[in-house]
Amino acid sequence: DGGITQSPKYLFRKEGQNVTLSCEQNLNHDAMYWYRQDPGQGLRLIYYSQIVNDFQKGDIAEGYSVSREKKESFPLTVTSAQKNPTAFYLCASSIVQSGPETQYFGPGTRLLVL
Amino acid sequence: GQNIDQPTEMTATEGAIVQINCTYQTSGFNGLFWYQQHAGEAPTFLSYNVLDGLEEKGRFSSFLSRSKGYSYLLLKELQMKDSASYLCAVRDSNYQLIWGAGTKLIIKP
Repeated sequence: DGGITQSPKYLFRKEGQNVTLSCEQNLNHDAMYWYRQDPGQGLRLIYYSQIVNDFQKGDIAEGYSVSREKKESFPLTVTSAQKNPTAFYLCASSIVQSGPETQYFGPGTRLLVL
Repeated sequence: GQNIDQPTEMTATEGAIVQINCTYQTSGFNGLFWYQQHAGEAPTFLSYNVLDGLEEKGRFSSFLSRSKGYSYLLLKELQMKDSASYLCAVRDSNYQLIWGAGTKLIIKP
């Protein structure tokens, strides 16, 4: 079945530690996105990528990094520079950015700080 | 700045009808989306409006007025499983989605 997978479901980070969240899709979508969701707030865009080996910062990119070496994969690293990383992280993908084509979401990773 | 407003929470009765409003002020407009999100899960797509008017999909309908910067999601024949958050998102001139904070809908028997 086609879809988006994210792992792990829950992730714990210690002070000063970098952690990487996985996102894989087999929908053959060109565009992929990372969002952060905090209670009572809308989704906020961290990074997005429209093509392999290219990505753009979103509204809250500081303290995060990404790579897009393969069309299917768009991992997100939460670095030690991100001082408030506790949130629900959602990965999404889409065919194109125009028209009714929407973004499809993975199940999310909840990141907690120890 | 860009802004999308939705009520924080609404309560309705099983079997009834509820309307969730969304107003937006964005840099350009290239479509409005409604998503449903159950607690702890990913958002799932419900509807898309780019022209003024009503789009109907079974028990769910969505309306758009671009001149007023306004949309609503109408849910009919409410079921307990409709208890969820409903997210309004607008695609701006850069083709990025701007998200509202979501409306938590509580359905009572």
